[in-house]
Amino acid sequence: QQKVQQSPESLIVPEGGMASLNCTSSDRNVDYFWWYRQHSGKSPKMLMSIFSNGEKEEGRFTVHLNKASLHTSLHIRDSQPSDSALYLCAANANSAGNKLTFGIGTRVLVRP
Amino acid sequence: GGIITQTPKFLIGQEGQKLTLKCQQNFNHDTMYWYRQDSGKGLRLIYYSITENDLQKGDLSEGYDASREKKSSFSLTVTSAQKNEMAVFLCASSMGNYAEQFFGPGTRLTVL
Repeated sequence: QQKVQQSPESLIVPEGGMASLNCTSSDRNVDYFWWYRQHSGKSPKMLMSIFSNGEKEEGRFTVHLNKASLHTSLHIRDSQPSDSALYLCAANANSAGNKLTFGIGTRVLVRP
Repeated sequence: GGIITQTPKFLIGQEGQKLTLKCQQNFNHDTMYWYRQDSGKGLRLIYYSITENDLQKGDLSEGYDASREKKSSFSLTVTSAQKNEMAVFLCASSMGNYAEQFFGPGTRLTVL
């Protein structure tokens, strides 16, 4: 059973549009979420992290976290073709130390 | 900044063969990780190590061995390669708990 669920599996967004990605953990010990971006043929790179309830914004990227429901979402506004990538959500549980659990990812395609 | 190098970049082996993948980092990070990524999907943790000579099993450790020879290097051995082993193996490192993980470029394994 996948402890970190991501939806949708894939997403097509017009250039300039908004992409919204979701991630939920089923592990009640999770207290930190990460979003990584992986361009095709490249390795994952950290995009944003969040551990407090609420919202965090960095440029065109906004992350929300609801700790009660263990749900996080990533929103990309003014999407660019260079945002086309696999977006991976990962969760840190306070009982698991350095160990991250990754979801299977959401593949985003931004159409010019 | 720092860099993670993985060797070899491509590895072709025969079914049943023992194969070794190597990873070096110069971030001076304490923790190192080995992940497997199948066909553009999420990452599954094989082994990780929080310090030199330490070894912790991940969710996918069966069929693999690992060794943390020194702080900067972490190797992974596929004990008996199977045809369904074909995947990209990613090495990562981080400073410790709740710290960003940095990834190497990966080793693509093909089993004939």
